[in-house]
Amino acid sequence: DAEITQSPRHKITETGRQVTLACHQTWNHNNMFWYRQDLGHGLRLIHYSYGVQDTNKGEVSDGYSVSRSNTEDLPLTLESAASSQTSVYFCASSESNYPTDTQYFGPGTRLTVL
Amino acid sequence: AQTVTQSQPEMSVQEAETVTLSCTYDTSESDYYLFWYKQPPSRQMILVIRQEAYKQQNATENRFSVNFQKAAKSFSLKISDSQLGDAAMYFCAYRRGAGGGADGLTFGKGTHLIIQP
Repeated sequence: DAEITQSPRHKITETGRQVTLACHQTWNHNNMFWYRQDLGHGLRLIHYSYGVQDTNKGEVSDGYSVSRSNTEDLPLTLESAASSQTSVYFCASSESNYPTDTQYFGPGTRLTVL
Repeated sequence: AQTVTQSQPEMSVQEAETVTLSCTYDTSESDYYLFWYKQPPSRQMILVIRQEAYKQQNATENRFSVNFQKAAKSFSLKISDSQLGDAAMYFCAYRRGAGGGADGLTFGKGTHLIIQP
């Protein structure tokens, strides 16, 4: 079955280190998204991509970067991890620009920055 | 920018009873889509129901239905015959319409639903 996976599921790192969270989908979806979830804030959009070589900033993009070299993957990089980036990170994908397209979410990665 | 507000941080209901979760939103768009997502303790985000703003008829999916009041910018979720498996965080979300299929969703802060046996 087609799916969307994230790795690692849990990560502990130190302040200042570079961290990359992986997201892989097998639906061949054009659109991919990264969100972070924090208590009291719901989910907030970090970055999104409409296709290969396309990336766009979301609401809370400072300190994060993404690159899209193929359809299946959208890795999220924290260039210099900060304690404020401790959160649960969700990747999602959707097929096209059609408004009713459903976004399918991965299982999430819990990141702790010490 | 659009905003989504869920004013009930937590709700509790007896098993088999009906509960309504509230959501209001603010947007200047006329064409948009609204969603309810469920997040159980497993953290998986599961789409419960979707409403197109241009449709007057309220969406229904089995025991889940919405009360969509476009003029009031209100989008509540009604769960009938509540079951223990309905216990979860519920998030209301918004996405613009035309061309918006590739947009990210704007989420509310969530409502924690507790089901009392």
